[in-house]
Amino acid sequence: GAVVSQHPSRVICKSGTSVKIECRSLDFQATTMFWYRQFPKKSLMLMATSNEGSKATYEQGVEKDKFLINHASLTLSTLTVTSAHPEDSSFYICSASVPDSHEAFFGQGTRLTVV
Amino acid sequence: GIQVEQSPPDLILQEGANSTLRCNFSDSVNNLQWFHQNPWGQLINLFYIPSGTKQNGRLSATTVATERYSLLYISSSQTTDSGVYFCAVKTSYDKVIFGPGTSLSVIP
Repeated sequence: GAVVSQHPSRVICKSGTSVKIECRSLDFQATTMFWYRQFPKKSLMLMATSNEGSKATYEQGVEKDKFLINHASLTLSTLTVTSAHPEDSSFYICSASVPDSHEAFFGQGTRLTVV
Repeated sequence: GIQVEQSPPDLILQEGANSTLRCNFSDSVNNLQWFHQNPWGQLINLFYIPSGTKQNGRLSATTVATERYSLLYISSSQTTDSGVYFCAVKTSYDKVIFGPGTSLSVIP
């Protein structure tokens, strides 16, 4: 299957700092990528749709100024958690679909801890 | 928006037992996938199955799109099958929406 790589897999940061998470499609180009958040023992919640070359589309209730998304190329989307607070601690995971296919592939996820 | 339900929410199996996990969805979908989330959080693609039946080793899946449900069968379960199983559907807007998951524990 297609490969989606996410980095870092784990990050600890201090309150008030910003953290950038990268999502790359390694063997295909993705005009659209998706970012999800997962709380412990819960399902994945879609946060936003990352669109190459244009603004991201955020789901209701997701603060666009808190979670900045940039999709500067066909293989890279980044999620920046700005001015992080302990309540932003979570597991973040990205996905992309191979063109002309409806099958989604997911990155390894990033476990963010804000102290 | 589309609603995705899964049952049962939790399942404990003795090693070697068989099980069936169910996924119901409320509207037409472009595709349906089953995933296994391992203890490290990685989502493993099990099946891409918008309709019909597929088999992969001890796992098989069936989707009846007209009746809006899918089933995941696990036969001869092993402890390594433990984890959370999610079904996820893709809407007409290309978004992938996840069900709440089934947490499976296989005990020796």
